[in-house]
Amino acid sequence: GENVEQHPSTLSVQEGDSAVIKCTYSDSASNYFPWYKQELGKRPQLIIDIRSNVGEKKDQRIAVTLNKTAKHFSLHITETQPEDSAVYFCAARTRDDKIIFGKGTRLHILP
Amino acid sequence: NAGVTQTPKFQVLKTGQSMTLQCAQDMNHEYMSWYRQDPGMGLRLIHYSVGAGITDQGEVPNGYNVSRSTTEDFPLRLLSAAPSQTSVYFCASRRLPGAESIFGPGTRLTVL
Repeated sequence: GENVEQHPSTLSVQEGDSAVIKCTYSDSASNYFPWYKQELGKRPQLIIDIRSNVGEKKDQRIAVTLNKTAKHFSLHITETQPEDSAVYFCAARTRDDKIIFGKGTRLHILP
Repeated sequence: NAGVTQTPKFQVLKTGQSMTLQCAQDMNHEYMSWYRQDPGMGLRLIHYSVGAGITDQGEVPNGYNVSRSTTEDFPLRLLSAAPSQTSVYFCASRRLPGAESIFGPGTRLTVL
């Protein structure tokens, strides 16, 4: 079945700097890759997603890139702010339409 | 539009007890799923359903049963609770195919 690996597990960046979280997937048939943000004690919420027919997508300070050949996708957050502190999950949709998540990255924004 | 609702919010069980975690959605979504979240393990898929009367196993199905008699409801049953099932459980729903998953608020379950 699909396996999604996510790195790093913890990331600390200075406020205003950029943060990058990387994921790899195993199923070459996967074609949809969402990213979720989970604040402490809250439910995961979608922040951005990308489909396999595009290589990059941006939404204000957040961008996601996809390399289908390498089966690799990344989340980029620029000009980080304190409210970006949270746990971020990448995920991939499998050929049988299941959404499989990575283990998460805890992002700390340092003042 | 209530979205995805889950009850209860918190539950404490003793080993061997049974219970049902409730999940409902009012968005007419075909797809519903259950995940468990444990520290350092991310969100792991327990069971899922692509429509009424259809269910299938996810990554960690052992110890859990599900049914889908209506589009709206997708209960998760623990037949004989074990301490290893202490976790936060999230229900999610979405349209088919491949749309955004909407999560419920979660149920925090402790098994003593």
